[in-house]
Amino acid sequence: EDQVTQSPEALRLQEGESSSLNCSYTVSGLRGLFWYRQDPGKGPEFLFTLYSAGEEKEKERLKATLTKKESFLHITAPKPEDSATYLCAVRTSGTYKYIFGTGTRLKVLA
Amino acid sequence: DARVTQTPRHKVTEMGQEVTMRCQPILGHNTVFWYRQTMMQGLELLAYFRNRAPLDDSGMPKDRFSAEMPDATLATLKIQPSEPRDSAVYFCASKASGDTDTQYFGPGTRLTVL
Repeated sequence: EDQVTQSPEALRLQEGESSSLNCSYTVSGLRGLFWYRQDPGKGPEFLFTLYSAGEEKEKERLKATLTKKESFLHITAPKPEDSATYLCAVRTSGTYKYIFGTGTRLKVLA
Repeated sequence: DARVTQTPRHKVTEMGQEVTMRCQPILGHNTVFWYRQTMMQGLELLAYFRNRAPLDDSGMPKDRFSAEMPDATLATLKIQPSEPRDSAVYFCASKASGDTDTQYFGPGTRLTVL
């Protein structure tokens, strides 16, 4: 069964304290892996797409990496405005079916 | 600024009542998704359409849920009859044609079934 697991469920960081969020997946065929950010009361907002192992994408303080079994979202020197839930999703080959993990709730303290 | 819009934003109803949620995808996007989000299950795909045709609705309880796209600017999700376990936030998302995987989500409809 295709599955996406994110860890940790919740993370509290001090401002400037770098860390990583994990997304592990088991799918029959990976078409792509995606990271989204979700603020309370809002819909998810797209961050990155990764298509192949070894690929990396960066945006401001965020960097996403992909291996054959997992992806990491690295947050460097986070700020309070980075506080949100970060969702990981995969798309299986041959479909437009996207499977989301349950997310990591990140809180960055000033 | 193109956005996905959803109505209503909040809905409180009693068990057994019919609920209809509406979504206007971004103009020109040809793939539309319906998701349900709960604390326990996270974001679950219910159904999706491409060029208005339903491609997969295996995530929906078939006996009570139905999804349609009457035209390219409107997608609907209907629950009849509603049950307390349907309480969740329902999101619509749209995607442009071609090789892009970027989905644009609406603000969601928060449904409470009493």
